[in-house]
Parts: sequence; structure tokens; C-alpha cells
Amino acid sequence: ETGVTQTPRHLVMGMTNKKSLKCEQHLGHNAMYWYKQSAKKPLELMFVYNFKEQTENNSVPSRFSPECPNSSHLFLHLHTLQPEDSALYLCASGRARGEMNTEAFFGQGTRLTVV
Amino acid sequence: SQQGEEDPQALSIQEGENATMNCSYKTSINNLQWYRQNSGRGLVHLILIRSNEREKHSGRLRVTLDTSKKSSSLLITASRAADTASYFCATDFTGGGNKLTFGTGTQLKVEL
Repeated sequence: ETGVTQTPRHLVMGMTNKKSLKCEQHLGHNAMYWYKQSAKKPLELMFVYNFKEQTENNSVPSRFSPECPNSSHLFLHLHTLQPEDSALYLCASGRARGEMNTEAFFGQGTRLTVV
Repeated sequence: SQQGEEDPQALSIQEGENATMNCSYKTSINNLQWYRQNSGRGLVHLILIRSNEREKHSGRLRVTLDTSKKSSSLLITASRAADTASYFCATDFTGGGNKLTFGTGTQLKVEL
């Protein structure tokens, strides 16, 4: 266990559904991240939050909507997804921008299948 | 692209042998990190080496960094079947804030 918990672990959703992924950390970190991992591709950084403020949006389509209500929780709201969005979605936390040691702690991921 | 590229893409060895994986990157970095991922699960941090360090050890792991060649290597000594996993390098590049850029990984298989 890394101290970062993601739910659900698996999700199957239709293209017209709305669902949310949840991430929670109690490591005292002030930075949280969403990554997408597709087969045979590098991890793609999607969003970065520092102290609850979004500091990076890596040209992610608007059908993915992140929310960070506090430094311990991060959500990814999903709406009108496409089959090509099927992937492993990984949440991570770490020290905030400007601090030393940018080691990331990852959750176990949510395996998303869009049908 | 800032991302690192691991080499080889796949590696199969016998238990007890050493495994060496390489990573190359393109821009100056603050540090470089290695992560391990078991199939379909999250990544686990293994070791971090700063740009002013050349070598670092942690248990059976040895990491080297050559900033002049923009490359790093991860050596796992006396491998075990439980070391079977994918290994990724990640760079914290200069001016990139606190985000990590990952490579495509090396799939290591250690056979009994």
C-alpha cells in the first residue's frame, strides 16, 4: 500500500454515461495528479493540482473534468467518453511545486472500459 | 518531447542473473527516478537520483546517471521471479514544475 487509494478499481461504462473516479491520500501531500496509461504508450500526464489549484491541463478533452476539493481528495468526472478512452487511470500524490523530492506515490488505478 | 525512453523494451533472464535497463532523455533534469509496475497495478517508486549524483544503491538496485549523455541505467542484481514487472524511468526536468515524464518502460521477466 502506498497510501493513495483509488475507487473503483474497475469500471465499465457506456458512451452516454456519467461516472466519477475517486482518489484519496493521507500522506500530507499538497500535489495530486491524474495519469492515463494505455497499452504500449508512455504514461500520459493529464492534470496536476498544487494546493487544490489546477496547475496543469495537458490538453485533455473536456469530457474529462477533474475536481480537487481539498489536498487529500481528487476526482475525475467522466462524461460522454469514447471507446479509445478505455485505459488504466492512475492517481498520484507528491510534494508540491517548489519543494524537494518529487517522488510520486501512485494508487492502484482504475481500469476503465468504455463500451 | 521530454520523455525518457527505456531500452530494451523487453528482457527475459534466469533467476539469479543480473538485469540491466537503460533510459535516455532529452533535456536537463533535476532528478531521475525509477518505478516498478506489476501487471495492471499502480507504480511503485524504487529510487531517485539527483542530477549532481552519479551512482546510487538501494538493496539489490544500482542506478547510474550520466548527465553528459542524458542517460541512466538500472541494475537489478541476483534477480528473483518476484522481480518480474515493468520498469519505468521518470524525469523531473528543469523548469517542468513538479510533474514527472515517464518513458514506455522495460518489461522484465525473470524465469525460474
